[in-house]
Amino acid sequence: ELKVEQNPLFLSMQEGKNYTIYCNYSTTSDRLYWYRQDPGKSLESLFVLLSNGAVKQEGRLMASLDTKARLSTLHITAAVHDLSATYFCAVDMGDDKIIFGKGTRLHILP
Amino acid sequence: EPEVTQTPSHQVTQMGQEVILRCVPISNHLYFYWYRQILGQKVEFLVSFYNNEISEKSEIFDDQFSVERPDGSNFTLKIRSTKLEDSAMYFCASSLYTDTQYFGPGTRLTVL
Repeated sequence: ELKVEQNPLFLSMQEGKNYTIYCNYSTTSDRLYWYRQDPGKSLESLFVLLSNGAVKQEGRLMASLDTKARLSTLHITAAVHDLSATYFCAVDMGDDKIIFGKGTRLHILP
Repeated sequence: EPEVTQTPSHQVTQMGQEVILRCVPISNHLYFYWYRQILGQKVEFLVSFYNNEISEKSEIFDDQFSVERPDGSNFTLKIRSTKLEDSAMYFCASSLYTDTQYFGPGTRLTVL
């Protein structure tokens, strides 16, 4: 069965702290996506990771991919309130069939 | 900046009725997708479309669903006979290649 598991599903953290969201998947893939969704809004693409060892950074967010471990991480550095949102990872299982994780609802306290 | 647009923003229909959800992808994009999200839950892939044909579809995308790119700009999702469980937010997305996907604002479908 194709599975994409994110953890944690809920995360409340203080501003200024660092944290990591994990995304495990159950089958081989050569493409992994991270998205952000604000309440009641659409999805915003954050990162596309295409190869083993890929690391991408944008502001306080950094994503990495380990295809051998079937694991991607989204690391938040020195969190600020504006980063409060739900973050989804999604894995391309082949032929553009994309499976999403359940999402991590991140709440950053001032 | 180019963006994906979707109409209508909200569609209310009776169970058993047909609905057509419309999307205008970014103009030079080649790959098109439909997803749905039941309120507050995870996003589910429905179908991908490239070169005027479906390239992949999920188990959800059964015979009640169809997609079309009728005129080179619009990309539509048709549900032939809606069920209560089809109530969801439907998102269209497009990409130039199989990389960054740009999502539209969504159509909220309510089936009564």
